[in-house]
Amino acid sequence: DIVMTQSPDSLAVSLGERATINCKSSQSVLYSSNNKNYLAWFQQKPGQSPKLLIYWASTRESGVPDRFSGSGSGTDFTLTIRSLQAEDVAVYYCQQYYTVPLTFGGGTKVEIK
Amino acid sequence: EVQLLEAGGGLVQPGGSLRLSCAASGFTFSNFTMSWVRQAPGKGLEWVSSIRGSSGTTYYSDSVRGRFVISRDNSRNTLSLQMNSLRAEDTALYYCAKSHQNELDTISYWGLIDYWGQGALVTVSS
Repeated sequence: DIVMTQSPDSLAVSLGERATINCKSSQSVLYSSNNKNYLAWFQQKPGQSPKLLIYWASTRESGVPDRFSGSGSGTDFTLTIRSLQAEDVAVYYCQQYYTVPLTFGGGTKVEIK
Repeated sequence: EVQLLEAGGGLVQPGGSLRLSCAASGFTFSNFTMSWVRQAPGKGLEWVSSIRGSSGTTYYSDSVRGRFVISRDNSRNTLSLQMNSLRAEDTALYYCAKSHQNELDTISYWGLIDYWGQGALVTVSS
């Protein structure tokens, strides 16, 4: 199984400041035949279902604000929230869809400082 | 608008059975892989099972293989999860989820989820 490890477990960021979340996979999720990283990021606000933010490691889902960006390749990935807004308080999960079992990181809780 | 409405959750004793269903609308159901993902209270997300749209090929996590059965009825746009031999550790909110990939696409990435239902709570307790 591919193990997804996120860091930190939680972080507190001031409004308007940058938040950075890391995700590391235990093996590469880069598929060589199409050069795509099978890595997604989800946002889960309190009491809500998860929402897809980023896929292919860096492609923003339709309707997602451009302050959210994803980067990385192979085994190391980052989700960046450029200028944190109050509505961004949530738990963020990375997920690999390279192979079964599909696996998620443990989550990173983002709060306002 | 994509809608996924789960039903069938509840309280069940250890060793018991429960059947979840998910009514889908707003997309061509048969063209998309569907999945169940669960979240134990206060915990993270755990993939449970998936079923391909056209072929019906199924996939299971090790934790539920042999106990749970996923199925779909493309004529009724319905996804189901039959859960048998339930254990306390199966207690969770079970989400019905839709794949981003249309199976008419040339690239296979069925494991990417783009829509989630609101979830059905399953509690296994005596």
